[in-house]
Amino acid sequence: DIQMTQSPSTLSASVGDRVTITCRASQSISKWLAWYQQKPGKAPKLLIYEASILESGVPSRFSGSGSGTEFTLTISSLPPDDFATYYCQQYNNYPWTFGQGTKVEIK
Amino acid sequence: QLQLQESGPGLVKPWETLSLTCSVSGGSINSDDYYWGWIRQSPGKGLEWIGSINYRGNTNYNPSLKSRVTISVDTSKNQFSLKLNSLTAADTALYYCARPQTTAGYGDYIYWGQGTLATVS
Repeated sequence: DIQMTQSPSTLSASVGDRVTITCRASQSISKWLAWYQQKPGKAPKLLIYEASILESGVPSRFSGSGSGTEFTLTISSLPPDDFATYYCQQYNNYPWTFGQGTKVEIK
Repeated sequence: QLQLQESGPGLVKPWETLSLTCSVSGGSINSDDYYWGWIRQSPGKGLEWIGSINYRGNTNYNPSLKSRVTISVDTSKNQFSLKLNSLTAADTALYYCARPQTTAGYGDYIYWGQGTLATVS
């Protein structure tokens, strides 16, 4: 299985901060990476697919980059609504696998 | 708007079989070649992909669960189902059904059910 490792596991930030989350794959996954946002009691919400394509309706403050084994999710200016947990997921090789999550909390 | 809804028993006994159904509304399960998936989430293991199926019944399973999992589809009812046998406490989780946004077997899940909690005890 491809292991997905996110860093950091927890991120303390303030409203308005620029936030960057990193996801590393144990082997190359080309561009086949998705980012999700999950809030308590809710299902994950797709933000970005194919590493850098913003899902329709997702605010442009979210951006994704990377290919191969190194990927990043950036939130340009953090509003109160974005305090949540973020997951990366590879879909290059079965079984699809997820990162362990990054919790973005209020500083 | 496509909607997915999981259903099934909330409490199951060890060594028994968990049976869950995902009902799809707002679209037909056989309208295109999507691979409809099951994903679970537990505090101990995070998000774990269980497997997926298309309307023709072609399946992909997570090897870690393959010996215990069966996913099936019923196009007449616009549903797909999950069976997981030989349950242990480690199978206690929130189970989601989901659909990717693209066909061709991709795993970028855009549509999710609200999840159903299955407790093994």
